Amino acid sequence: DTAVSQTPKYLVTQMGNDKSIKCEQNLGHDTMYWYKQDSKKFLKIMFSYNNKELIINETVPNRFSPKSPDKAHLNLHINSLELGDSAVYFCASSQGAGAGANTEAFFGQGTRLTVV
Amino acid sequence: DAKTTQPNSMESNEEEPVHLPCNHSTISGTDYIHWYRQLPSQGPEYVIHGLTSNVNNRMASLAIAEDRKSSTLILHRATLRDAAVYYCILRDWNTGNQFYFGTGTSLTVIP
Repeated sequence: DTAVSQTPKYLVTQMGNDKSIKCEQNLGHDTMYWYKQDSKKFLKIMFSYNNKELIINETVPNRFSPKSPDKAHLNLHINSLELGDSAVYFCASSQGAGAGANTEAFFGQGTRLTVV
Repeated sequence: DAKTTQPNSMESNEEEPVHLPCNHSTISGTDYIHWYRQLPSQGPEYVIHGLTSNVNNRMASLAIAEDRKSSTLILHRATLRDAAVYYCILRDWNTGNQFYFGTGTSLTVIP
């Protein structure tokens, strides 16, 4: 069983389209994250959700809208895709603040988004 | 959030020990020191973490300075599979859901 699973693994789409990336974790964690890794390989946090509530929104354009229907899922919807959105997007989960800082986080295998 | 500083790259010969340093001079008393690595074309994976004492697990050892302003990840015998980018990250007890990556150290293992 994969701990953190993302779908799709690859996504190629045209500029202006709207797309979604799904993420699910089966670890019982209360916190989930989205990261963007661009061509320079820097891993930048985009969003963090704790118990379905938004905790971090790192000045991400509002074309990006995360949705957490329950603690096990954090989906990422992107409107009006732009060339600069091309990157690898990683989902992750962990326990949150408090004792959670003393535990490990788990990452998905990534979704490679290419906007043409 | 407290920041970490790591060398951009390091090299090691296969089957030799590797010491990957990390400076975190502004660490707070509630920060845990975590290490993750990212193998090519994969998501980051957990390596080890600690608070004050040195830690060992099946993958590596973590040596934490007495003043906690620096730490060293030790791979006892580097293999080709250990070639990856290694990230040193601080996770605060109070804000454990803020998980920021730095630039990491790209480790090359030479056969």
